[in-house]
Amino acid sequence: AQKITQTQPGMFVQEKEAVTLDCTYDTSDQSYGLFWYKQPSSGEMIFLIYQGSYDEQNATEGRYSLNFQKARKSANLVISASQLGDSAMYFCAMTLGGGADGLTFGKGTHLIIQP
Amino acid sequence: NAGVTQTPKFQVLKTGQSMTLQCAQDMNHEYMSWYRQDPGMGLRLIHYSVGAGITDQGEVPNGYNVSRSTTEDFPLRLLSAAPSQTSVYFCASKRGYNSPLHFGNGTRLTVT
Repeated sequence: AQKITQTQPGMFVQEKEAVTLDCTYDTSDQSYGLFWYKQPSSGEMIFLIYQGSYDEQNATEGRYSLNFQKARKSANLVISASQLGDSAMYFCAMTLGGGADGLTFGKGTHLIIQP
Repeated sequence: NAGVTQTPKFQVLKTGQSMTLQCAQDMNHEYMSWYRQDPGMGLRLIHYSVGAGITDQGEVPNGYNVSRSTTEDFPLRLLSAAPSQTSVYFCASKRGYNSPLHFGNGTRLTVT
């Protein structure tokens, strides 16, 4: 079964610094997708970035990039030049596989950006 | 520009009561799903549907029923609410298998 592990329950970072949020995953599938979502204190889930297992380049979306290391089964999210509005919960997720269509999520990292 | 709309936003039930959480999307997505979010647990898939008339179970389906009679709507039914179903429920839709999920704003359900 797929499993996502986020080892950082909480992080404090100074504004304008770069942030790396860790995510490791476990799967026996060859084809899978990895996602990152942001959940601010208001509660909505916001899609940030996607990486396919066969994508050769690391995904980037504005200030977000995904450091994908397939052999190590890691998919870390990098936020460049952090802003106060980046304070939120961040969830790593991957496709369920096994014939089921959906995502399995990690437990999340609570990121707090300090001025 | 509504996206995924969930109602109600908040609900309190007594143990044993039934209710339906509503979910509608206007993006013509074939895929819709329900997740629950509990503190410290991330989100877990309850049920999903890959098109009208087709539903399947996710990771935590017990105590919940779904049906999909139209592309737009995917209601979640609690037939006999239990305190263990106290959670935040999210409905989501997507265009294709590796497409990102578009989430509704959630329903906070408390069962006493």
